[in-house]
Amino acid sequence: GAVVSQHPSWVICKSGTSVKIECRSLDFQATTMFWYRQFPKQSLMLMATSNEGSKATYEQGVEKDKFLINHASLTLSTLTVTSAHPEDSSFYICSAPPAGNYNEQFFGPGTRLTVL
Amino acid sequence: QKEVEQDPGPLSVPEGAIVSLNCTYSNSAFQYFMWYRQYSRKGPELLMYTYSSGNKEDGRFTAQVDKSSKYISLFIRDSQPSDSATYLCAMSDPTGNQFYFGTGTSLTVIP
Repeated sequence: GAVVSQHPSWVICKSGTSVKIECRSLDFQATTMFWYRQFPKQSLMLMATSNEGSKATYEQGVEKDKFLINHASLTLSTLTVTSAHPEDSSFYICSAPPAGNYNEQFFGPGTRLTVL
Repeated sequence: QKEVEQDPGPLSVPEGAIVSLNCTYSNSAFQYFMWYRQYSRKGPELLMYTYSSGNKEDGRFTAQVDKSSKYISLFIRDSQPSDSATYLCAMSDPTGNQFYFGTGTSLTVIP
């Protein structure tokens, strides 16, 4: 199946700093990628849809100025958590649909963010 | 009412048992139904993908969709300790613009 990678896999940062998470589709092009957040023992919550060459679409309640998304190429989307706070500590996962098949998402391995 | 309901478990079974995992949903527009397996601290992995009603089998895994009851199931035959993970159901409408996950069911298969 298609491969999606994320980097870093784990990051610890101080409160108030910004953290960038990368999501790459390794063997296919993705005009759209999705960013999710998952708290312990909870399901994935869609944060935003990243669109190559245009602005991201954010879900209700997600602050676009806090979670900056840049879909710079057909294989790379980045999520920057700006001025991170302890409540932003979570597992961030990206996904990408191969060949635009939105019902067959391939997920990255996730990035665990801990904000001290 | 949540769009997708899934019993979080935890579910613990002996090795070799048949496991049944279920989700219910409320939106009749959902047409695509997926099951994902997620190991601890990893991203979800697509296991099964079905369209509309019916059954789909892949090895030890069988996915069933009953649209009339808004109920989907994943059966695991001859369960193995390596099947121990959290299983998430997911579903979407035909456009893929609405994509909803269940909360996940934690499964442990005891050797």
